[in-house]
Amino acid sequence: ELKVEQNPLFLSMQEGKNYTIYCNYSTTSDRLYWYRQDPGKSLESLFVLLSNGAVKQEGRLMASLDTKARLSTLHITAAVHDLSATYFCAVSTMYSGGGADGLTFGKGTHLIIQP
Amino acid sequence: EPEVTQTPSHQVTQMGQEVILRCVPISNHLYFYWYRQILGQKVEFLVSFYNNEISEKSEIFDDQFSVERPDGSNFTLKIRSTKLEDSAMYFCASSRGHHSNQPQHFGDGTRLSIL
Repeated sequence: ELKVEQNPLFLSMQEGKNYTIYCNYSTTSDRLYWYRQDPGKSLESLFVLLSNGAVKQEGRLMASLDTKARLSTLHITAAVHDLSATYFCAVSTMYSGGGADGLTFGKGTHLIIQP
Repeated sequence: EPEVTQTPSHQVTQMGQEVILRCVPISNHLYFYWYRQILGQKVEFLVSFYNNEISEKSEIFDDQFSVERPDGSNFTLKIRSTKLEDSAMYFCASSRGHHSNQPQHFGDGTRLSIL
């Protein structure tokens, strides 16, 4: 059974600071996703990471993937209040390898950025 | 930008009743999914659908659940005899392809409340 673990689950930080969210997963997978969810809202795709060593950046967020360690990180640089949200990592489960793969999500990291 | 649309946004139903949740995936997408999120918890995969049949399903997707694509645009989730524990936010998602770097795009969800 694929397990996806995020830490921390809750993070309160000040604007201007840097921090990293970690996502570990238990079995081989070919795709890792990061999503953002605002309270009561849907999931917004942030990054798709496909290969070992992949690094993607969008604004103050940067995501990386180490498939050998089964670890992805989401790094926040110089945080601003607008980045307050819950961040989920999700891994493609590859049940059959040929069909539509469901995603297994971590529990999410609830991020609060205070002025 | 094309969106996944879901109706209704909120559904209140008596326990034991049947409910149908509706979704219109993005028009050129081929893979469709249903997920649920119980309040305050992580997003859980229910089922995926491709080429007019179920591709994968999780343990949650038992005999009380069914999915259908009745026409060229709608994708529905039916819960035959609802239970209190079915109360959750249900998200529909769609994606363009299996072996692609495109993420699953999520709708805004249907909040299902079972009384």
